[in-house]
Amino acid sequence: AQTVTQSQPEMSVQEAETVTLSCTYDTSENNYYLFWYKQPPSRQMILVIRQEAYKQQNATENRFSVNFQKAAKSFSLKISDSQLGDTAMYFCAFPQGGSEKLVFGKGMKLTVNP
Amino acid sequence: NAGVMQNPRHLVRRRGQEARLRCSPMKGHSHVYWYRQLPEEGLKFMVYLQKENIIDESGMPKERFSAEFPKEGPSILRIQQVVRGDSAAYFCASSPRQSDTGELFFGEGSRLTVL
Repeated sequence: AQTVTQSQPEMSVQEAETVTLSCTYDTSENNYYLFWYKQPPSRQMILVIRQEAYKQQNATENRFSVNFQKAAKSFSLKISDSQLGDTAMYFCAFPQGGSEKLVFGKGMKLTVNP
Repeated sequence: NAGVMQNPRHLVRRRGQEARLRCSPMKGHSHVYWYRQLPEEGLKFMVYLQKENIIDESGMPKERFSAEFPKEGPSILRIQQVVRGDSAAYFCASSPRQSDTGELFFGEGSRLTVL
């Protein structure tokens, strides 16, 4: 079975700090995509960043970057220069069996304090 | 270009009533997915539909739940004879076609409360 594990249920940081959210997964697939989604208090699911497993280069989107370790099946999200608007639940996810059937982790609640 | 539209945003039902949740995908998207989020949990896949076809319903409970995506109109997730355990946020997502990227575009969700 394909699973996604987010071991940190909650984190709190000060504005402008850097924070890393961890995610591990288990799959027998070789080529796949990995995603981090953000769910702010409005509850809408917003795609933060996507990583292609066959690419060695880590994905970066402005203040968001990933540390993808394929052999270790680890996919962590780094948020630099944290902002108050980053306060949200963050979910790691990847498609099951190469389909659009996303498997989500349980999420991590990030609070950015002023 | 409007995003995925879900309604109602909030729905309250008493035990035994029916709940209908609607989802209009993004313009040009023909694939619709329904996910359920229980409190303090991640999203769980329920069903994947294309126009007039159910492609994968492996996440749907065997009873009381059904989904459709007709040729015209929104996709509908129907829950008959609701129970308190059905209280959750139901998210719809869409994609333009089946792809291997897995990227989905989500609506804002419909929160069902069963009294």
